[in-house]
Amino acid sequence: GAVVSQHPSRVICKSGTSVKIECRSLDFQATTMFWYRQFPKQSLMLMATSNEGSKATYEQGVEKDKFLINHASLTLSTLTVTSAHPEDSSFYICSAQGPAYEQYFGPGTRLTVT
Amino acid sequence: AQTVTQSQPEMSVQEAETVTLSCTYDTSENNYYLFWYKQPPSRQMILVIRQEAYKQQNATENRFSVNFQKAAKSFSLKISDSQLGDTAMYFCAFMYSGGGADGLTFGKGTHLIIQP
Repeated sequence: GAVVSQHPSRVICKSGTSVKIECRSLDFQATTMFWYRQFPKQSLMLMATSNEGSKATYEQGVEKDKFLINHASLTLSTLTVTSAHPEDSSFYICSAQGPAYEQYFGPGTRLTVT
Repeated sequence: AQTVTQSQPEMSVQEAETVTLSCTYDTSENNYYLFWYKQPPSRQMILVIRQEAYKQQNATENRFSVNFQKAAKSFSLKISDSQLGDTAMYFCAFMYSGGGADGLTFGKGTHLIIQP
């Protein structure tokens, strides 16, 4: 149990375009999901907290107009990177919070902006 | 804000040996959780072990155990009988538990290499 999926696993887009990443909890409902970013050989940095039915909470320094988060249901959160630029290239990982505060992570999405 | 420090960027041990990964943290909170996550080359984050701050007893999961010293704000991970499959990045993480839904604050990680 406690499986989280992400789609796509890899995406390449041109500079200036937008890309959407989906995060789904497959066998449990998650009121709260989280989005992290991981640069090569670095740790994970929390970008935002996604709450079902309400606005996301962004960490300091994260542009909310650039990284749009929608948590439309108890099993789906989406992250849209708008007007992507090469510096947005990174590994994006979502997690879904279980009933005992544990977090289950998706497999990640590698975004490359050319 | 809390910080998590892992002072060992890389460690290497022989298969079957015991290895201890260090982690210290800084927080003014009293209610929190601590975690160790494993990230193999696939980059899938895998929960290794968790510890509730209010519990004095150290958590154990098979070959994995922690030494939680709350006053010293230390949370080390011991891996016994290490196996080749334990080779991975290991991240120590902190989560405040008073707010209901908080993200994780990660340390910089320790790259653990198990040598055959």
